[in-house]
Amino acid sequence: AQSVSQHNHHVILSEAASLELGCNYSYGGTVNLFWYVQYPGQHLQLLLKYFSGDPLVKGIKGFEAEFIKSKFSFNLRKPSVQWSDTAEYFCAVNSGGGADGLTFGKGTHLIIQP
Amino acid sequence: NAGVTQTPKFQVLKTGQSMTLQCAQDMNHNSMYWYRQDPGMGLRLIYYSASEGTTDKGEVPNGYNVSRLNKREFSLRLESAAPSQTSVYFCASTPLMGSGRGNEQFFGPGTRLTVL
Repeated sequence: AQSVSQHNHHVILSEAASLELGCNYSYGGTVNLFWYVQYPGQHLQLLLKYFSGDPLVKGIKGFEAEFIKSKFSFNLRKPSVQWSDTAEYFCAVNSGGGADGLTFGKGTHLIIQP
Repeated sequence: NAGVTQTPKFQVLKTGQSMTLQCAQDMNHNSMYWYRQDPGMGLRLIYYSASEGTTDKGEVPNGYNVSRLNKREFSLRLESAAPSQTSVYFCASTPLMGSGRGNEQFFGPGTRLTVL
């Protein structure tokens, strides 16, 4: 069975600080990897995804993530956060075929202080 | 194009009552999913339907049933609600085109359910 581990449950940063949220998964086969964001009171939106090709993927709002296969990791980064990045961030994985549901990490609650 | 819609937005039930959560998508997607979100637990898959006419259990199916009514609609039923089913329920869909690799899931706005 797949599992996803997010290292930080709560992160507090000041505006303009750099962000890195850790994500590790356990699955030996081909995977699709996703980062979703949930702004307060809203539904989940896709930030970025990786399934093949360049392991450094860029998403919306200046976010990027790097897939490191040897470490089973897919960490999310942003060079300079804004107050509007305050949200819950979820790392998720499913198997190569893509029909299965997503396995989510427990989420990271990010608070950006102005 | 409304995307994924869910009804109702909020619901309060008493223990033992039954109800059906409705989900519909207008994106002609093949696969649909039901998740529940609990504090500190992330989202967990309840049931999914890879294609019209098929349904499969996810991680936490106990106490729930589903119906893939047609390609657009996928409902979740609680036959006898329990306080442990208090949660936020999200429906999602994906086109599952081609090899299926990299197809993102699109989420609805959620249903907040409280069971007393």
